[in-house]
Amino acid sequence: GAGVSQSPRYKVAKRGQDVALRCDPISGHVSPFWYQQALGQGPEFLTYFQNEAQLDKSGLPSDRFFAERPEGSVSTLKIQRTQQEDSAVYLCASREPNDRGQNTGELFFGEGSRLTVL
Amino acid sequence: LAKTTQPISMDSYEGQEVNITCSHNNIATNDYITWYQQFPSQGPRFIIQGYKTKVTNEVASLFIPADRKSSTLSLPRVSLSDTAVYYCLVGDLDSSYKLIFGSGTRLLVRP
Repeated sequence: GAGVSQSPRYKVAKRGQDVALRCDPISGHVSPFWYQQALGQGPEFLTYFQNEAQLDKSGLPSDRFFAERPEGSVSTLKIQRTQQEDSAVYLCASREPNDRGQNTGELFFGEGSRLTVL
Repeated sequence: LAKTTQPISMDSYEGQEVNITCSHNNIATNDYITWYQQFPSQGPRFIIQGYKTKVTNEVASLFIPADRKSSTLSLPRVSLSDTAVYYCLVGDLDSSYKLIFGSGTRLLVRP
């Protein structure tokens, strides 16, 4: 598979439970991005990494959300003490590296992890 | 970041040309215009990007007037498989890697 891989595809959690969503970017890509998409809405930016550094986490809705990229290319979005309003699809994306640091505006998205909090 | 306005939904029939217009009155000098497509249960997919005039690729054309306050995504001869949500995004690629999506336009192609 050459695309962005996300797991699990579906997760059902009881309110108050912690969840972890995994993203494996395309091989050779950089900068995993995380987006949240509520039903019927467009994706909303959460956070992104450049290499190992989390450069922007302005979109994280609360301190219950945090993302990490401990090593390699894999990134994990963790949600603590889930609430019903956290129910959404969580999308991960990556972009091609560019030696000149230029941004082409093209992100490659995974299929998402659908979280349902009961 | 410039805000965009698109129609909420559009209907078309197979074989027709579809034009989706996006308004971005506050577009800045360094902003580019990018369109994404999203099918149900999938992540968005990049379609086309432009700065001014016209851009064409194997999927679509993007028309941008001189004042750049709007843009039109043109899909030639649509098929049922073009039924999707189409997002118009505007942003300065040089200063921000963050893409801001709006609510998009839901295109329904009928047989």
